[in-house]
Order: sequence, then C-alpha cells, then structure tokens
Amino acid sequence: GAGVSQSPSNKVTEKGKDVELRCDPISGHTALYWYRQRLGQGLEFLIYFQGNSAPDKSGLPSDRFSAERTGESVSTLTIQRTQQEDSAVYLCASSLYWTFEGSYEQYFGPGTRLTVT
Amino acid sequence: DAKTTQPPSMDCAEGRAANLPCNHSTISGNEYVYWYRQIHSQGPQYIIHGLKNNETNEMASLIITEDRKSSTLILPHATLRDTAVYYCVSARQLTFGSGTQLTVLP
Repeated sequence: GAGVSQSPSNKVTEKGKDVELRCDPISGHTALYWYRQRLGQGLEFLIYFQGNSAPDKSGLPSDRFSAERTGESVSTLTIQRTQQEDSAVYLCASSLYWTFEGSYEQYFGPGTRLTVT
Repeated sequence: DAKTTQPPSMDCAEGRAANLPCNHSTISGNEYVYWYRQIHSQGPQYIIHGLKNNETNEMASLIITEDRKSSTLILPHATLRDTAVYYCVSARQLTFGSGTQLTVLP
C-alpha cells in the first residue's frame, strides 16, 4: 500500500515568509509525528497527534510553529515568519497508535527540505 | 522519559556481523526499545523492536540484557547497503538523538 507522503519535497522561501508543509499518513494510522532534522544531526521531535488531538506540543521550538490535523488523515505544519535557522528537513511519520507504553513502529515519509534564504 | 546513548560511529567489514550497542539504563519496565536506520537523504526506516525477549526478523536480531539496561542490534552479514545511521529509541522517547553511523567497508 501507499506509504507516508509529504509535500513539497523541496521548499525555498525568503526570510519572514510563512510556509505550510503537508503530510499524508498511511491510511488507518491514528498517530502522526513531526520531526525536524538539521544537517548532520539527529531527529528532533516537534509534535505528535493521536487522532486530531495533539497531547504533547512541547517540542515546538517557538510560537511561530503550529500544526493541525484533520481527523485521522492529513496534517499540516505551519511555520510563520521563517528564519534562517528554520532551514532543515522536516520529516513526518505515522504509526497505528500511540499508547502509554509508547508508539508502535513509525513509518516515515521522505521529508520536506526547507531552505530559508 | 528514558534516554538512550549510542557510540557515534562504528566500522564493520562486509560480510561480517555488525553489533551496534545501545544503553537505555533509565527505561521503564513496560517500555519497548525500537531500532531504526537512516540511509543518507532518506527518511528513517523501522528495523526491529523488543521488550524483554530477544527478537529476530528478516533484517536483524535484537538482544536485550536481562536487566533491560542495554541492547545490541545485530546485522548478521553486513553489506555495503547497510551503511547508515542507526538509532536506538525508547518507545516513549520521541527524539532520536544522533545515533551510530555504521560504515560497512569492502
């Protein structure tokens, strides 16, 4: 079946502009995750959704970052007034569930490479 | 949340077993350990997970110590395509850290 898809694959934007990144999870996956990966570094957790609820927003770097999810499908990550330090690959993943014991295995999309000039 | 620690890099000869260690001394009793790998410029790929018992699948084996404070991912016959960054993640920890860069040498 179809995997996790993300769009756009690449985005170049000017400093100060807003951007929207989209994630389409695997059908039937109730949990969805957003990560940021700067060049040469590991994955930094941003936010996760269980259904359309986001129990943990602690990873969002600032109030310029927000995310929403429609039902158990598409999610968008919005970055307002982009800064050069926002340049990174933004990865989305989905899993069947997230439980107190932790997530089921996550399936990742290819990422969106964001470059802020 | 449990924190995992891994060596930053390892080399392995092609065809030999690659043994990648992970320390997760603060993991809680019902928290799974997951392993993922990330090949350059791609999204991470799930490999295997376990709780207490050793696990094996078509990709790898996972050995978890009896006290659950550490685990080892084993790639039994490493190939050049196994060169990647390998992440050990506790189930409730949603940050992957820096992982181990495994380089398989010809």
